[in-house]
Amino acid sequence: GENVEQHPSTLSVQEGDSAVIKCTYSDSASNYFPWYKQELGKRPQLIIDIRSNVGEKKDQRIAVTLNKTAKHFSLHITETQPEDSAVYFCAASRWDSNYQLIWGAGTKLIIKP
Amino acid sequence: EAQVTQNPRYLITVTGKKLTVTCSQNMNHEYMSWYRQDPGLGLRQIYYSMNVEVTDKGDVPEGYKVSRKEKRNFPLILESPSPNQTSLYFCASSSGTASYEQYFGPGTRLTVT
Repeated sequence: GENVEQHPSTLSVQEGDSAVIKCTYSDSASNYFPWYKQELGKRPQLIIDIRSNVGEKKDQRIAVTLNKTAKHFSLHITETQPEDSAVYFCAASRWDSNYQLIWGAGTKLIIKP
Repeated sequence: EAQVTQNPRYLITVTGKKLTVTCSQNMNHEYMSWYRQDPGLGLRQIYYSMNVEVTDKGDVPEGYKVSRKEKRNFPLILESPSPNQTSLYFCASSSGTASYEQYFGPGTRLTVT
């Protein structure tokens, strides 16, 4: 079945620097790739998603890139701020069951002042 | 306000005492799901439901039951809780069609002693 691997498990960056989190997936039928952010003690919330007919998507300081050939996608956060500190989860789903997400294990992002 | 609610938010119980965690959404979503979250393991799906009276097992269904008698409610039942079910539980819902975004409830922190 589908497997999603996420790296690194912990990422510490200086405030103002960029952060990149990477995920790889195994199922070539996957076509939907969301990223969720979970702040400490809160619920996960969708921050950005991408579909396989698009190679990159941006929303202000965050962007997601997708390489279908290599089966990996990445989250990029530029000009990091303290409020970016959280756990980030990637996920993937197949075209025939886009509601059924396969989750990565999560990345704890720490923004150092 | 569109939301997913869960009750209780915190629960401490003893081994073998049946319990139910309720989940309700007011967005008329067809898809609902239960996850457990444990440190280092990310979000693991327990059960999901695609519509009323349609439920299926996720990755870790052992020891849990669900029902979907109404579209808005999706309770999680632990018939005989054990200490290894101590975890943080999230309910989520999605329209499954117009958008694949999953909306999470606030979480239920369960401790089984």
